[in-house]
Formats: sequence, C-alpha cells, structure tokens
Amino acid sequence: EAEVAQSPRYKITEKSQAVAFWCDPISGHATLYWYRQILGQGPELLVQFQDESVVDDSQLPKDRFSAERLKGVDSTLKIQPAELGDSAMYLCASTRGGKDTQYFGPGTRLTVL
Amino acid sequence: GIQVEQSPPDLILQEGANSTLRCNFSDSVNNLQWFHQNPWGQLINLFYIPSGTKQNGRLSATTVATERYSLLYISSSQTTDSGVYFCAVPSFGNEKLTFGTGTRLTIIP
Repeated sequence: EAEVAQSPRYKITEKSQAVAFWCDPISGHATLYWYRQILGQGPELLVQFQDESVVDDSQLPKDRFSAERLKGVDSTLKIQPAELGDSAMYLCASTRGGKDTQYFGPGTRLTVL
Repeated sequence: GIQVEQSPPDLILQEGANSTLRCNFSDSVNNLQWFHQNPWGQLINLFYIPSGTKQNGRLSATTVATERYSLLYISSSQTTDSGVYFCAVPSFGNEKLTFGTGTRLTIIP
C-alpha cells in the first residue's frame, strides 16, 4: 500500500538555526498539506498545496516559515530561524483532492534547544 | 471556524473492555475522519464517515450529521489500541481538516 514519506523522522536543532523537512506524497495525489502538532493538541494546518500552487497558507508564520512544491510532487517546509516555540511534530498529508480521505506520513519531530 | 470537541479526554480500560468515544462538531460537515495516533506519532486512518455506520473488525463508527456528532466504538480492547483518537472535519472549500481535542485511550493488560 502506498504511503506518504517524510524525512527526517527526528530533528534536534538550536534556536536561530535553519531546518528543512521533506515530504513525498502518495503518487497521483494532487493535494498536499503540512500540519503542525504541538504536544497534547490536535494537528493544525500550516499550508495546503494543489499541485504546485498554494491554496491556503493563512496559518503559516511567513516571517520564518516557507514551503514549496515546485513540480507539484514532493514538498519542502523550511524554518529560518528556528525558535523554541517551534518544537512540535510536523505532519504531511496528501489526498487525491476534493472530499477524499487524507493520508498522513509518519511526521518529523522537531526539538529546538 | 468550526469547533470540534471530543469526550472523554482520557479513558483507562482493562484489556477486553468495550468503549465509546464521542465527537461533537459545531457546524454542518460533508465528511468526517477518525484517526488513531500511535505512541510514535503516526496518524492512522480509521474511518472516512460522512454519515451512517461503518465497521472494520473490532472498530465501528457512526456519524449522525443532522445532530452534529460521531461515535467511535472499540470492542474487546487490546493493548495495541492505546493511543490518542482524533476526529477531524473539513472546512468547506479547501477541505483542510480541523481536528478535535482528542481522546487518550490507555488499555491495561
């Protein structure tokens, strides 16, 4: 069964450093989501792509976060500079589109020291 | 935006027991998903259930969209059922998911 791939699985960094996360959605899935999950809470959307275009980035802290999906396939989420409050699980999900089921990757657990 | 609340927040059960988890949402929705988040953080799809009842092994789910709630039933609990259960509903238009507050289930051997 096809899965959403994410790397790295764990990342420890110091504040003010740059970090990047990668996501490869299920083949053929046009819609890709990045969610952030703070410990003890449910995931919250950061950015949504339809193919290579951003559909919703209203909750993305654009002063330090950026996301791209240049060829409409895999995607990268970057944080620069990282802050202590960015420590969280970063989850990628994909769907064929519309009202279809969202499938989640294993996540990247970020710790900022 | 839509509000999604789950109850109970925590549930501790003996292995073999049955449980019912509830998800209430504040507005009309066109679908609803249930997830199990395992101790490693992976979100595993359980059900995509906009309305009606579905069953998958020991798990079943019922959504009553007109009354804005969904129920997840777990029968004959096993220790591997431990984790956090989330329901999530999409926003109209871009289908981004709003997650509930979660129910942490602990199954004791």
